[in-house]
Amino acid sequence: DTGVSQDPRHKITKRGQNVTFRCDPISEHNRLYWYRQTLGQGPEFLTYFQNEAQLEKSRLLSDRFSAERPKGSFSTLEIQRTEQGDSAMYLCASSLLNTGQKGYTFGSGTRLTVV
Amino acid sequence: AQSVTQLGSHVSVSEGALVLLRCNYSSSVPPYLFWYVQYPNQGLQLLLKYTSAATLVKGINGFEAEFKKSETSFHLTKPSAHMSDAAEYFCAVSASNTGNQFYFGTGTSLTVIP
Repeated sequence: DTGVSQDPRHKITKRGQNVTFRCDPISEHNRLYWYRQTLGQGPEFLTYFQNEAQLEKSRLLSDRFSAERPKGSFSTLEIQRTEQGDSAMYLCASSLLNTGQKGYTFGSGTRLTVV
Repeated sequence: AQSVTQLGSHVSVSEGALVLLRCNYSSSVPPYLFWYVQYPNQGLQLLLKYTSAATLVKGINGFEAEFKKSETSFHLTKPSAHMSDAAEYFCAVSASNTGNQFYFGTGTSLTVIP
């Protein structure tokens, strides 16, 4: 068990560029979650997957945000046409099916800076 | 709908003193409640959780929290603060009937004074 891995740890991009982040969950975890955390705030839910199915995506911030988990293992979060307001920490978490009782395991996050 | 409110964005205590971090929740269904800790530039680490069993929950690093339904509270305590406890603490709630997403508070930054 190597925990939840996120890559890259830091990303600096120019406004208008597309960025993609990767998350590798704990191998036996079938649920995977994406959260966004801005400075001074708690994490904000974006979307989650159960295996390869994206079961909730209405909380994605705009149509510039999309996520995939094609084989039910790793996941990617893409932001198109980045804006300065997208600067934040993007956190991935994973869990077994019964999330409510066990809580999540979080990765260390990807810090995005849009300049 | 679920939400949490953390009273006090910054708390300072002396080393060895009692730590008390406050969390009040709102939930339309029986809640599951969690406390997470976040060190600088790190992800969140689970401290403890309440899932409708014992109302007094013990977690890692000497922390505990008590679920009080009448007060809709889930305050985090530790009898004696250590320097290593300095971090950001987040309270979170999820709905026990789905548990699909957590709603986090805005966090409390704990400073421990030597």
